[in-house]
This record gives sequence, structure tokens and C-alpha cells, in this order.
Amino acid sequence: NAGVTQTPKFQVLKTGQSMTLQCAQDMNHEYMSWYRQDPGMGLRLIHYSVGAGITDQGEVPNGYNVSRSTTEDFPLRLLSAAPSQTSVYFCAIQSTPKAGANVLTFGAGSRLTVL
Amino acid sequence: GQSLEQPSEVTAVEGAIVQINCTYQTSGFYGLSWYQQHDGGAPTFLSYNALDGLEETGRFSSFLSRSDSYGYLLLQELQMKDSASYFCAVRDRADKLIFGTGTRLQVFP
Repeated sequence: NAGVTQTPKFQVLKTGQSMTLQCAQDMNHEYMSWYRQDPGMGLRLIHYSVGAGITDQGEVPNGYNVSRSTTEDFPLRLLSAAPSQTSVYFCAIQSTPKAGANVLTFGAGSRLTVL
Repeated sequence: GQSLEQPSEVTAVEGAIVQINCTYQTSGFYGLSWYQQHDGGAPTFLSYNALDGLEETGRFSSFLSRSDSYGYLLLQELQMKDSASYFCAVRDRADKLIFGTGTRLQVFP
């Protein structure tokens, strides 16, 4: 997971609380994304960004906000946490080591529990 | 809608060969990737196919047939450390990676 740092690793929230999951990279990649992973559901894209100042929605964006003020940072905000947002969250950067191959490098993950 | 289908679980013994299939239906197709994830860890990239045919990387190979919207990951000479979940992923026209639900591989001695 070198190059992609996620914090916190674990977090417990109460319903209705807000929080921000941090993601930072030191590899100067333009493309960053957030996925959530639930048992039996695989990885689902929440939001992504193709560069500073540009963000877009993925498959499951509701309840989450993102911003990209710098190339390095891509925080994910939960505005009012719900039990359905209990999940493991992964931040990823994208590189293209060979033509057309968009390779994701993931952070170590943030395990969130909403009570 | 977009969907990628994989078997939920596969079991095999050490030294054997196992094939994990993936069929996809997505809005645009720009390549099929495979990722490995050990329990408690993050997914890591294994292979990528943009064109039909077989790509080999050591003990792992990946195959793609675009006309059949189908691909597979082939793992040879299985080792205990290969026990993990394997995900196929398709790059769609919006340049997003859409993942399948994953196949859990258990390797027994």
C-alpha cells in the first residue's frame, strides 16, 4: 500500500454523526477513487476524481461527499452516518503502467462501524 | 445496468490448477483486470487483458474473449498462500473500474 495513506484504520460512530475519512498519496497521480466493500458485494465505487478540482459520482454516492483541492488529498465525508454505511472503505490511486491498463493501488482500508 | 458474475467460492488442493471465470455486462468495455485480496488486506493488481487471448505472469494467466464477454484467471501449481479472494474488474467507457463480487479460493494441503 506504499504511496496511499488512509486514516483512521478503525472508527466507530453513532447514527447521525459526521466524520471524514482521509486519503493522501505521494505519487502525484491524478486519478483517485473511493470504494466500499461489504461481504458478498465486492468493491463498489463511491466517488472518484480525475484531478484537483474535479470529482464525479460512482455507483453508490448517496450519503457521501468528496472534494479534491490538491492532487495529494482526497477526503471522503459522511454527512450523517447511518448503520447501512458500516463497511470497509478503500481509497485508491490509478496508474497506467502499460497502454490501457488502469491499475489501482489501494490504501490499507478504513473499517467503519455505525451503531 | 452493469454486472460482473463470478463464482462465489472455489476449492482446490496444493499443486492443482484452478480456473476462476468472469462474465460481464457493462456500458462500454476497455479491458478486464484481476485483483487478489487476502483476508484483512487490500486488493492488489494481478493482471490485465485488453485484447482477446491469454496473458501469462508466472503461475497466473488471464484470458479474455470479448465476443463472449468472458474472461478467466488461471492459477497453476497452487500454493497455500494463494488462498484469497479474487476479483475481476472491467474498465467502462467512463474510465471507471467496476468490480465483480469476488471468488473466494481455498487451497487445502
